[in-house]
Amino acid sequence: SAVISQKPSRDICQRGTSLTIQCQVDSQVTMMFWYRQQPGQSLTLIATANQGSEATYESGFVIDKFPISRPNLTFSTLTVSNMSPEDSSIYLCSVPRRGAEAFFGQGTRLTVV
Amino acid sequence: DAKTTQPNSMESNEEEPVHLPCNHSTISGTDYIHWYRQLPSQGPEYVIHGLTSNVNNRMASLAIAEDRKSSTLILHRATLRDAAVYYCILRDPWGSGGSNYKLTFGKGTLLTVNP
Repeated sequence: SAVISQKPSRDICQRGTSLTIQCQVDSQVTMMFWYRQQPGQSLTLIATANQGSEATYESGFVIDKFPISRPNLTFSTLTVSNMSPEDSSIYLCSVPRRGAEAFFGQGTRLTVV
Repeated sequence: DAKTTQPNSMESNEEEPVHLPCNHSTISGTDYIHWYRQLPSQGPEYVIHGLTSNVNNRMASLAIAEDRKSSTLILHRATLRDAAVYYCILRDPWGSGGSNYKLTFGKGTLLTVNP
């Protein structure tokens, strides 16, 4: 099984500021995925982060709001920019393994006040 | 993406079997049926997946209807630790542009296990 470490595990931020979430994987992976889980809701895919190319964003998510970096095959960051209370969610990174399973980090619980 | 339909919630007693249903009437021939669960305050974890035949692993069994339009996740003996939201997800491993690895989560079924 993959070991995925996400930092921070939780944070409380002021509106208008930005937060960068880090995702570290214990082995090299081609793709990393970032999801958002709003309170009481299911997971929604934000973007796919490929090493060496720009991230691919899902409908409703834009790079200016959620810039992603993927400097190498074991690491990625997601930034939540110019935050508002509506951005309060759990943000999770995920990696595929063995062609079938996906592993998820523990998530970053963000509260914007 | 093909959609799945699951009951919002189910309840079970500890040490009894649990059958979690999922309808996927628009499933395509290349879609695999995946189940994940999300324990409280944790990220989702993989449970099981299958294509046509029933599947068993240490966590659960997956029974797939002959027409593949529905499936059932079976927990043989529920424990308190099995209380979670269970997601039934269709995934096409032959999708392009990374879509074969993307997971589209529905609302899932909240399983409550009573002691």
